[in-house]
Order: sequence, then C-alpha cells, then structure tokens
Amino acid sequence: EDQVTQSPEALRLQEGESSSLNCSYTVSGLRGLFWYRQDPGKGPEFLFTLYSAGEEKEKERLKATLTKKESFLHITAPKPEDSATYLCAVQLSNTGKLIFGQGTTLQVKP
Amino acid sequence: GAVVSQHPSWVICKSGTSVKIECRSLDFQATTMFWYRQFPKQSLMLMATSNEGSKATYEQGVEKDKFLINHASLTLSTLTVTSAHPEDSSFYICSARGVVNEQFFGPGTRLTVL
Repeated sequence: EDQVTQSPEALRLQEGESSSLNCSYTVSGLRGLFWYRQDPGKGPEFLFTLYSAGEEKEKERLKATLTKKESFLHITAPKPEDSATYLCAVQLSNTGKLIFGQGTTLQVKP
Repeated sequence: GAVVSQHPSWVICKSGTSVKIECRSLDFQATTMFWYRQFPKQSLMLMATSNEGSKATYEQGVEKDKFLINHASLTLSTLTVTSAHPEDSSFYICSARGVVNEQFFGPGTRLTVL
C-alpha cells in the first residue's frame, strides 16, 4: 500500500533555531515528491518538487532534499512568519496522483 | 506564479440543497484539475480527477452522483454537491496542472450544511 508519513506531527521552535522536518514514503513508484505550505483555512502553497535521489532545492530559509526513502525539509534560522503546516506529497508514477502525508505543524516563537 | 482561484470561499446551505463550487486557473491552461476534501486537522484526500472535455475519474468511496464534476474548459472546473447533508460539511480544495508537472492549489471553499 502506498504510504507517506511525516514527522514530527508538531514542532515548536524559537526564532533562529534551525531544524528539519521528515517525510518518509513507501510507494509502488515515485514520479516526484512535492512540498507545500498550508496556512490555517487556506489552500496549500507550492514550495518544491524533487524528482531524483540526491536532488536539493532551496528557497529563502527552506531547503528540501530527497533520498530513495525519504525527504527532509530543512529550516534555517526560522522566523515567526514561517509558522504553518508543511505538507509532503508523493506523486505516483503509474497514475500521477498525489498521496499526502499528515503534515507537520510548525510554530516559531519570537 | 500559477494562480488558481475558487468561488465561493465559504458557503452555508440547508440540508437537501445543492451547492456549486468553481475552480479557475487564472494565468495558465489546466489540462487536469483535481478536487480534494480536507477535514479539520487532517490531510488532503483526493476525491476526483478531471481532464478537460472528458468525464471525471472518482476515487474509491466517492459517490459520483453526489459530487458532480464538470471540466468544461481549460480554465474552469466545477464541483456540485447535490442534496447536501451535514456530513458533507468540509473544506473543499481544487488544484490544477498544466504543461508543467506541478499542481497548484486554490484557496479552498468551506462548506457548512445545516
């Protein structure tokens, strides 16, 4: 069964305290792995797509990496405005559908 | 960037009535649109996939007669919740994909059925 698991479920950081979010997956075939940010009551905002193991992408304080079994979203020196739920989704190679993880809710305190 | 809009952003209706939600890709042509449902503090669950000009493909367990999807053009898809009941209350989100592989999401529609 295709499965995507994110950890931790919730993360509290002090402003400036760097950390990583994990997304592990077990799927029949991977076309790509997506990271989204979702604010309360809003739709997901696209962050990154990763397609092959070893690939890395960066955007401001965020950096996403991909291995054959998992992806990490590294947050460097976070600010309160980085507080949100971060969703990981795996795109299946056979159907193109996205399978979402449960998300990690990040709270950054000033 | 790619922008997807939804209308309305929230709707309250009485049990037994039907509600239509629109999803538009504003600055690109969406060959495929997706409809998701999200319950509080849960992740997104795919309901159906629609390609322009053809019938939607529904996920297992989703009633196609209750959730009518129309993808009449490359920029517009609609979801109609027919004979809505309180258990249909949820956050409905659409996404769109064009020539690039990435899916871009709309802001969501909060449906409350009384």
